Amino acid sequence: EPEVTQTPSHQVTQMGQEVILRCVPISNHLYFYWYRQILGQKVEFLVSFYNNEISEKSEIFDDQFSVERPDGSNFTLKIRSTKLEDSAMYFCASKLAVTNYGYTFGSGTRLTVV
Amino acid sequence: GDSVTQMEGPVTLSEEAFLTINCTYTATGYPSLFWYVQYPGEGLQLLLKATKADDKGSNKGFEATYRKETTSFHLEKGSVQVSDSAVYFCARIMNRDDKIIFGKGTRLHILP
Repeated sequence: EPEVTQTPSHQVTQMGQEVILRCVPISNHLYFYWYRQILGQKVEFLVSFYNNEISEKSEIFDDQFSVERPDGSNFTLKIRSTKLEDSAMYFCASKLAVTNYGYTFGSGTRLTVV
Repeated sequence: GDSVTQMEGPVTLSEEAFLTINCTYTATGYPSLFWYVQYPGEGLQLLLKATKADDKGSNKGFEATYRKETTSFHLEKGSVQVSDSAVYFCARIMNRDDKIIFGKGTRLHILP
C-alpha cells in the first residue's frame, strides 16, 4: 500500500538553527499538508499546498516557516530559526483529490529544540 | 470557535471489554466527522468516517454514529483486543474547508 514517508523520524536541534523536515508524498497525489502536534496538545493544521503554491496557512505558519516541493517528489518544511516552542511532532499528509476523505499521513518527525 | 473535544486519556481496559471514547464537536454548519488511529511508530490512519447526520461509520469492529442533536461522534467497540492499543483522534472537516480539525487524542491501553 502506498505510503507517505517522512525523514528523519527524530531530529534534535539547537535553538536558532534552521531545520528542514522532509516528506515524500504518494506519487500521484496533488494536495500536500503539514500538521503538527505539540506534546499533549491537539494536532494542528499548519499549511496546505497545491499546484506549487500555498493554498492556505494557519496563524502558526509565520515567516519562520516555509514549504517547498523542489523536485516533484519531495515536500519539505523549513523552519528558519527554531524556537523552543517549535518542539513538536510534525506530520506530513497528501491526497489525490479535493474530496475530504482521502488523506494519507506520514508517521511523523519528532522535532526537539534544545 | 470550531473545535473537537474528546475524552482525556489514557484509557486502560482489559481485553474483551466494551470501549467508548467520547467526542463532541462545535461547528457552524454540518461537518464531516472522522476517527483516526495512530499505532505505535506509525502515522495517522483513517479508522472510520461519517459525512451526514445519522450516518454510522464502521471499521475493524469500531463504530461511531453522527449525532447532530448532541453534536457527538462517540467511538465504540464491543470487545477490544490488545492490538487495539493506540492513540485515537476524533476529527472534523467542514465541507467548504480543506483542513482537518483534530481533538487532542485519547491513548488506549488494552491489557491481556
